[in-house]
Amino acid sequence: GDSVTQMEGPVTLSEEAFLTINCTYTATGYPSLFWYVQYPGEGLQLLLKATKADDKGSNKGFEATYRKETTSFHLEKGSVQVSDSAVYFCALSDQGGNQFYFGTGTSLTVIP
Amino acid sequence: DGGITQSPKYLFRKEGQNVTLSCEQNLNHDAMYWYRQDPGQGLRLIYYSQIVNDFQKGDIAEGYSVSREKKESFPLTVTSAQKNPTAFYLCASSIVRPGGYGYTFGSGTRLTVV
Repeated sequence: GDSVTQMEGPVTLSEEAFLTINCTYTATGYPSLFWYVQYPGEGLQLLLKATKADDKGSNKGFEATYRKETTSFHLEKGSVQVSDSAVYFCALSDQGGNQFYFGTGTSLTVIP
Repeated sequence: DGGITQSPKYLFRKEGQNVTLSCEQNLNHDAMYWYRQDPGQGLRLIYYSQIVNDFQKGDIAEGYSVSREKKESFPLTVTSAQKNPTAFYLCASSIVRPGGYGYTFGSGTRLTVV
């Protein structure tokens, strides 16, 4: 079945460091891919998404590119801030749009 | 603005009590979902509903019950049969086949057994 695998945390970075959180997926056809962010004590918010191969989703300085050849959707940010400290979830919606799968989440802490 | 409202934000339950968590949405979404999140853990699906008066069990439905009498509302009851209910509960909604639209989440309810 379809699934999402993301790198385990926690990840700790200094402010202004480069961030990569890896996400790979298993799916038939062409799923849609998402990154959600969860700030402490809050629900999940959609951060960015991509619905077809080679699409790049971007928001708030974060980017992720839908790579069909490597079945990946890695999240990147060039310069993290303390306010980026949160848990990040990679997610997939299958080609038929019937099922939604979440990764286990990666906790990011950015220190000044 | 449209969104999902969960209430209360914090809830305390005594041993043996049933408690009900509220979830209301004004997004005109047909599908609604309840997830449980434990510290440092991912999301686990409890129940979901794709249409009024119908709902399906998720991966961890034991000890929980739901109803879907209105499109806008999907309350979750944590019964006394749920032996370890302390967790963060998240409600979400979507169109029936979310595809590229994804889910919209509420801000969560933290339930603690005292």
